[in-house]
Amino acid sequence: GAVVSQHPSWVICKSGTSVKIECRSLDFQATTMFWYRQFPKQSLMLMATSNEGSKATYEQGVEKDKFLINHASLTLSTLTVTSAHPEDSSFYICSARDWGDQETQYFGPGTRLLVL
Amino acid sequence: SQELEQSPQSLIVQEGKNLTINCTSSKTLYGLYWYKQKYGEGLIFLMMLQKGGEEKSHEKITAKLDEKKQQSSLHITASQPSHAGIYLCGAPTWNTDKLIFGTGTRLQVFP
Repeated sequence: GAVVSQHPSWVICKSGTSVKIECRSLDFQATTMFWYRQFPKQSLMLMATSNEGSKATYEQGVEKDKFLINHASLTLSTLTVTSAHPEDSSFYICSARDWGDQETQYFGPGTRLLVL
Repeated sequence: SQELEQSPQSLIVQEGKNLTINCTSSKTLYGLYWYKQKYGEGLIFLMMLQKGGEEKSHEKITAKLDEKKQQSSLHITASQPSHAGIYLCGAPTWNTDKLIFGTGTRLQVFP
């Protein structure tokens, strides 16, 4: 089946620094990737839709200047949390839609971010 | 905006027992996905339903979408400890690629 990887799996950083999270589709091409955020014991909340070769579409309430998304190729999207603060600590999960199977989204294993 | 509500929120069952998780949408569903998540990990795709009345099975898990396409159920037969985790239903919003997710159901299976 389709595999999506994320790197790093967890990261601890100091407040004010920036953190980059990578999302890769390993065995398929993904023109669209999605970034979600999940707080403890809560469901996933969509942050933004990442489109290859164009600007990301952000959900209401998500600061695009704080959460920079780049989708430079058909297999890679990156999320950069700029000037991270403790309230940005969360579990970030990406998903990708297989170009050849438009109906299913495959999820990465997630990245746990802790901002001190 | 569309909302998905899952019930129950949590479930503890003895190994071998059957169980059902429900997902109810505030609006008509254009598709319904079921995922399983282990704590602190990503989501594993289970099944996707599109047509009213559709039913799919994989191993001991069966998912159904009702005729009116506003409710789906996930049924596990003869549960095992390996079934433990968080089950999430997700639905695409009209004319978009975006998925919204239900509130999740935490399942624990004890021997």
